[in-house]
Amino acid sequence: AQSVTQPDIHITVSEGASLELRCNYSYGATPYLFWYVQSPGQGLQLLLKYFSGDTLVQGIKGFEAEFKRSQSSFNLRKPSVHWSDAAEYFCAVSNYGGSQGNLIFGKGTKLSVKP
Amino acid sequence: DTGVSQDPRHKITKRGQNVTFRCDPISEHNRLYWYRQTLGQGPEFLTYFQNEAQLEKSRLLSDRFSAERPKGSFSTLEIQRTEQGDSAMYLCASRDSYDSNQPQHFGDGTRLSIL
Repeated sequence: AQSVTQPDIHITVSEGASLELRCNYSYGATPYLFWYVQSPGQGLQLLLKYFSGDTLVQGIKGFEAEFKRSQSSFNLRKPSVHWSDAAEYFCAVSNYGGSQGNLIFGKGTKLSVKP
Repeated sequence: DTGVSQDPRHKITKRGQNVTFRCDPISEHNRLYWYRQTLGQGPEFLTYFQNEAQLEKSRLLSDRFSAERPKGSFSTLEIQRTEQGDSAMYLCASRDSYDSNQPQHFGDGTRLSIL
């Protein structure tokens, strides 16, 4: 069965420091992968997606993610974190091998930013 | 593009009562999804519609839950005889399935609290 694992429940970084959030997936075929961000009491905003092609994808707000098939990973990175990046981040894979299916989410990583 | 709209944003009710939530998708989107998110977890898929047809229901959708999308536009999710375990954020998402590159767009959710 498809699944997504986000090993880190909570991460704290200093403002201006670099960030990497880990995501591992289990999927039999080529996955469609997503990163969403959620602020408290809000819905989910798409940061970036990977469907095919270049394995390094750029997203909004200065985020990027790299798809590594050999490691079944899709880690999210940002070179310099801003206080406004504090939120919860969810990695997801699309069911049925395409963007048409429902999403399977990880449990999320909560990011705190120290001044 | 006004985004996905959900109403109400918050609902507090007593155990055993019925509740109904509404979702208005982005107007040209033919697919509509419902997810449930409990505290500390990622969203979990409940059901989805293609136009007015309900195409898939998760095992999480017990017989106390019913969803409709009568004219292929807005959707309602009803929970009958609510239980403590129904307390969660209910998220709606929509997309245009004819555009394979398009991801799901989420609303801000309805937070349900059962007293």
